[in-house]
Amino acid sequence: IVLTQSPGTLSLSPGERATLSCRASQSVSSNYLAWYQQKPGQAPRLLIYGASSRATGIPDRFSGSGSGTDFTLTINRLEPEDFAVYYCQQYGTSRTWTFGQGTKVEIK
Amino acid sequence: EVQLVESGGGLVKPGGSLRLSCTASGFAFSSYSINWVRQAPGKGLEWVSSISTISNYIYYVDSVKGRFTISRDNARNSVYLQMDSLGAEDTAVYYCVRGRDCSAGSSCSERGGDHWGQGTLVTVSS
Repeated sequence: IVLTQSPGTLSLSPGERATLSCRASQSVSSNYLAWYQQKPGQAPRLLIYGASSRATGIPDRFSGSGSGTDFTLTINRLEPEDFAVYYCQQYGTSRTWTFGQGTKVEIK
Repeated sequence: EVQLVESGGGLVKPGGSLRLSCTASGFAFSSYSINWVRQAPGKGLEWVSSISTISNYIYYVDSVKGRFTISRDNARNSVYLQMDSLGAEDTAVYYCVRGRDCSAGSSCSERGGDHWGQGTLVTVSS
């Protein structure tokens, strides 16, 4: 499965809403779709799994939606610490993982 | 606290070998699949390999098949990645990532990679 994220870069101001897209080349089984946040010099952090479930400790301004081949990560009211790179990932298909190429959310 | 600590990275010449280790603590290690994910400098994430709880399911990305070998020692709470015939394209930070959760006994649950190590840098250069 190939995952295509869009846009490549999103330029927004703090307080705005960010909408990130992830499209799969074929249906993602059991909605095994996750989103990660990565800041420079840090390991990725799991935000969303199962397309819409927030991981432990993740603020509720992060939400995930979608099914099949189209998925969305929404960040409401961007905080300064939310400016980072975001990756989608499918997991579970043949027990292998695939990542999208990433979307950078930068300060406008 | 769940912790995954990678070690073994460094500078190696093309064609050389390196063995990465990942030591876990703070959870029932033998109940979880473990994955290796790498990130080349300035690039995105690439899944490399996974190993199931009792090593009966092992998978690799096509680009490392025949060159990399994943293994685990549940008694030592450790996973290893033996990397042979290394090339410049293998230069990356390698992360150890906790995966499939089989701690419930008869069934397993998938939540992607819920805990990551800090990564170890592998540089392949002459």
